[in-house]
Amino acid sequence: DVKVTQSSRYLVKRTGEKVFLECVQDMDHENMFWYRQDPGLGLRLIYFSYDVKMKEKGDIPEGYSVSREKKERFSLILESASTNQTSMYLCASTLWENTGELFFGEGSRLTVL
Amino acid sequence: QQQVKQSPQSLIVQKGGISIINCAYENTAFDYFPWYQQFPGKGPALLIAIRPDVSEKKEGRFTISFNKSAKQFSLHIMDSQPGDSATYFCAARNGNKLVFGAGTILRVKS
Repeated sequence: DVKVTQSSRYLVKRTGEKVFLECVQDMDHENMFWYRQDPGLGLRLIYFSYDVKMKEKGDIPEGYSVSREKKERFSLILESASTNQTSMYLCASTLWENTGELFFGEGSRLTVL
Repeated sequence: QQQVKQSPQSLIVQKGGISIINCAYENTAFDYFPWYQQFPGKGPALLIAIRPDVSEKKEGRFTISFNKSAKQFSLHIMDSQPGDSATYFCAARNGNKLVFGAGTILRVKS
């Protein structure tokens, strides 16, 4: 069964802290994504990666960075968290073959105080 | 150019009724149009998808209608059930990226 696992479901951090959000997939997918979900704004793409050590900016990369050292793991990093980064973060992966389906994790809800 | 505009923001439908959610796009490079369903506390999951060379796709009670010339596509849920209450997102793919609409919160009243 397909699985995308986000290590932290809920996090509370203080302004200025460094935050790591981890995502692991067990499907051998090349492509991995980080989205941010906010009410009324839908899912907005932060960064994506199409191969190990490869990354591309999405639509809202400011204030974020990513790391993909292994095929199965894609990390989102907030170097200095700010209150406007309080949000739900969703990781996804895909092969872009057959159905072209993105498989999502259950999300990490981050609150920055 | 990368936007997908989705309406309505929220929708209340009686059990057994038809739910209709609409999306519009501008970028003609989009080559794949999926709909995702999200229940509270869960990540979105693929519901149904269509490619631009097809005008309609039906899977059970769910149908996508696609109008290439108008750059619009819509999701129809026939015989809507309380279990269909969820947030629905349309999306469009360009290359390696999937762009999502803002979402529609559907509530089906029993």
